[in-house]
Amino acid sequence: EADIYQTPRYLVIGTGKKITLECSQTMGHDKMYWYQQDPGMELHLIHYSYGVNSTEKGDLSSESTVSRIRTEHFPLTLESARPSHTSQYLCASSELPGGYTFGSGTRLTVV
Amino acid sequence: RKEVEQDPGPFNVPEGATVAFNCTYSNSASQSFFWYRQDCRKEPKLLMSVYSSGNEDGRFTAQLNRASQYISLLIRDSKLSDSATYLCVVISSSNTGKLIFGQGTTLQVKP
Repeated sequence: EADIYQTPRYLVIGTGKKITLECSQTMGHDKMYWYQQDPGMELHLIHYSYGVNSTEKGDLSSESTVSRIRTEHFPLTLESARPSHTSQYLCASSELPGGYTFGSGTRLTVV
Repeated sequence: RKEVEQDPGPFNVPEGATVAFNCTYSNSASQSFFWYRQDCRKEPKLLMSVYSSGNEDGRFTAQLNRASQYISLLIRDSKLSDSATYLCVVISSSNTGKLIFGQGTTLQVKP
């Protein structure tokens, strides 16, 4: 059974809509991450958090924002979706360096 | 230049073959190294950590060469179920626990 959950699994939405991708983990990990991955390409870190009220931008510029009000919850928001945001978004958490647990991902398509 | 580079492949091998993947990293201060496995349209999962002394887990052997800044993964007696993309992952001292992913090497084991 997964200890880190992402919803929705698939999302098709129109341009200009506001969307929030949910990520929750039950392991009590302080560190959480959002990665973006296009098909056949490498993962790029777009946001990370080392604990409640701590968020940082990652290595890949992203128009999304994140919040970390509770340890277990790390949602990602796009205020106005565009076709260029079409991608897979993967959430992960870790306690030890390298021991990442990934969620199943959200496949976002903006039409 | 990418911080972590892998030959994307694909590597097409028959069952029972031995296959080796290499990965190079550019940051000499990198501290920790891992191999992750990602199945098609799935999230990455930790396969094994890579230690300076080399380590083995069943049919899988990982090695690190710090002087040449490369990591290798050897798979012996390959199975159909080994077909996946293998991601080389590095943690550098400059980014405090964030994983840097290579593009991945795709392995296709044929009967």
